[in-house]
Amino acid sequence: DAGVTQSPTHLIKTRGQQVTLRCSPKSGHDTVSWYQQALGQGPQFIFQYYEEEERQRGNFPDRFSGHQFPNYSSELNVNALLLGDSALYLCASSRGQRNNSPLHFGNGTRLTVT
Amino acid sequence: GDSVTQMEGPVTLSEEAFLTINCTYTATGYPSLFWYVQYPGEGLQLLLKATKADDKGSNKGFEATYRKETTSFHLEKGSVQVSDSAVYFCALSDQAQGAQKLVFGQGTRLTINP
Repeated sequence: DAGVTQSPTHLIKTRGQQVTLRCSPKSGHDTVSWYQQALGQGPQFIFQYYEEEERQRGNFPDRFSGHQFPNYSSELNVNALLLGDSALYLCASSRGQRNNSPLHFGNGTRLTVT
Repeated sequence: GDSVTQMEGPVTLSEEAFLTINCTYTATGYPSLFWYVQYPGEGLQLLLKATKADDKGSNKGFEATYRKETTSFHLEKGSVQVSDSAVYFCALSDQAQGAQKLVFGQGTRLTINP
């Protein structure tokens, strides 16, 4: 039973570019959340997708957008990259939208913006 | 808004020592509380949780008690092992928004020496 898988594992981009990160949820899960973890900090909630729609959003600018596909996989897109976007991006999946179903995290994508 | 504050690290202990990592929170409602652990190169794993006041979460020898009167959820373990070396995150979720949207503390890096 595969857990949450993310790709790529590492990525280097230049300031101003655009990036797309991908996530496949754990089998049986239908909800995907994205978190940004800056170096030495705790993860910060970006947004959550359920039934192919953004359901909740944290304090992130519109440069951060996402998508969820019918197979529940998800993408995180970041436009006009800034140096401060360098971080570990974590995807987490769960069953259901707003309940106590625990989150299962992937190993993350390490994004470096130069 | 809701927030979580953890004791600053890093924390270095000898094997078999007693561990306490302090965590306090600020929340408007009655949050659920969590401890997550992050091993090197991996995503976050749920260690334990408590959903209401006076609940005690426990797992793998770790435990934490939800203290509403002191707004705390301190993590303890009676005898640590080298394999416990990791970064530990305290987190909360608002009951209304569900366990998928977590607010994390900044993390505490724990190193256990043999």
